[in-house]
Amino acid sequence: KQEVTQIPAALSVPEGENLVLNCSFTDSAIYNLQWFRQDPGKGLTSLLLIQSSQREQTSGRLNASLDKSSGRSTLYIAASQPGDSATYLCTTDKLIFGTGTRLQVFP
Amino acid sequence: GAVVSQHPSWVICKSGTSVKIECRSLDFQATTMFWYRQFPKQSLMLMATSNEGSKATYEQGVEKDKFLINHASLTLSTLTVTSAHPEDSSFYICSARDGGGPSYEQYFGPGTRLTVT
Repeated sequence: KQEVTQIPAALSVPEGENLVLNCSFTDSAIYNLQWFRQDPGKGLTSLLLIQSSQREQTSGRLNASLDKSSGRSTLYIAASQPGDSATYLCTTDKLIFGTGTRLQVFP
Repeated sequence: GAVVSQHPSWVICKSGTSVKIECRSLDFQATTMFWYRQFPKQSLMLMATSNEGSKATYEQGVEKDKFLINHASLTLSTLTVTSAHPEDSSFYICSARDGGGPSYEQYFGPGTRLTVT
C-alpha cells in the first residue's frame, strides 16, 4: 500500500529564504503527484500537479520536481514570504497523504 | 481552476442525531468524488470514494452503515453521519477530479467541521 512521507515536519524561517520541502512515496506506479497548501481550519488549495511523464512544474515562486523512479518529489519555494505560512501536503493519485510540512515564515 | 463547495461549513449536533454534509462541484461534472476526514494536527485520511449512480467504495475500517454516501448527480455527493457520537467530531473534506481517471487533478472543498456534543 502506498505510503507518503514528508520531511521536514516543521520549518520556521525568516522572510526571503529559499525553501526545500520533500515528499517521498513507496509505490512508484503513479499517474501523478500533487502539492497542496492548507491554512488552519481550511480546505486544501492545489499548488502544482505533476504528471508521471513530467519531471517538473512551475508556478510563480513555486517549482516542484518529480523523480518517479526513486519515489521522490521536491517543492521549492523561492524568496519566501509570511503569506506562505501554511501546512504543505503532497499526495499521489493513490489518494494517500503525507503528514505535511508546517511552514512558518516570519518577517 | 475548478471549484468545489461544501455545506455546511460547520455544524454542532447532539449525540445520537444524524448530520448530512453536501459536496458540490460548481463548474464541472464529477463522476467521482472523495470523502476525507482530518483530526487535529493530523493528515487527511480517505474514507470513501463516491461514484455517481452507484454504491460508494469504503476504505478499510470505515463503517458504511455509519457514514452513508449518496452521489445522485454529477455535481452533488452527500455524506450522512448517522447516530453521531463525540468521537465522530472531526473535519470532513470532500474532493473531486475534473476528469474521469486518476491522472486528473483533485480539487478540494473548504471542509465541514463537525462537533458532536
